[in-house]
Amino acid sequence: GAVVSQHPSRVICKSGTSVKIECRSLDFQATTMFWYRQFPKQSLMLMATSNEGSKATYEQGVEKDKFLINHASLTLSTLTVTSAHPEDSSFYICSARRGYGTSNQPQHFGDGTRLSIL
Amino acid sequence: QQQVKQSPQSLIVQKGGISIINCAYENTAFDYFPWYQQFPGKGPALLIAIRPDVSEKKEGRFTISFNKSAKQFSLHIMDSQPGDSATYFCAALNNAGNMLTFGGGTRLMVKP
Repeated sequence: GAVVSQHPSRVICKSGTSVKIECRSLDFQATTMFWYRQFPKQSLMLMATSNEGSKATYEQGVEKDKFLINHASLTLSTLTVTSAHPEDSSFYICSARRGYGTSNQPQHFGDGTRLSIL
Repeated sequence: QQQVKQSPQSLIVQKGGISIINCAYENTAFDYFPWYQQFPGKGPALLIAIRPDVSEKKEGRFTISFNKSAKQFSLHIMDSQPGDSATYFCAALNNAGNMLTFGGGTRLMVKP
């Protein structure tokens, strides 16, 4: 159980393009979803947290207008990288968790999206 | 500020040997400590986790040892296999449940 599906797995596009990444919890309701960014050979850095039906909470230094997050249902969150540039190239990973707010349920991760901006 | 420090950065172990990865934390508000395994091009997969009210947890070949007073915890992989070769991350979750902080990762290579 606790499967998280992320799509697409890889995107290559031109500079200036907006890219949407989907994160779905397949067998549970994910009231909270998280978006991470991972550079090569580095750890995961949290970008933002979203609770279903409310605005995402962004970490310091993450531009909310650049990285649009929508968590419209209990099984789907999307991350849109707007007007992407080469420096946005990275591995983006989502995770999902049962329970609102205070909850120490484990996070279950998707397989990531490799974004390459030319 | 690196709240969870992980060592070593890389580790080479012979098949059948024991792999040991260590983590230390500073924030006493952490109260859930998972370990994740990540293969190249994949997301992290939850391996094993522990809460601070126990000192050890074992699942198959994987054991977490937890020292609350020292604010340290470690992952032991017994009878290491080439298929265990991956990057391992320790992590710590705050008691509000809204912030999972990762260690820097350990790249493990198990030689046949």
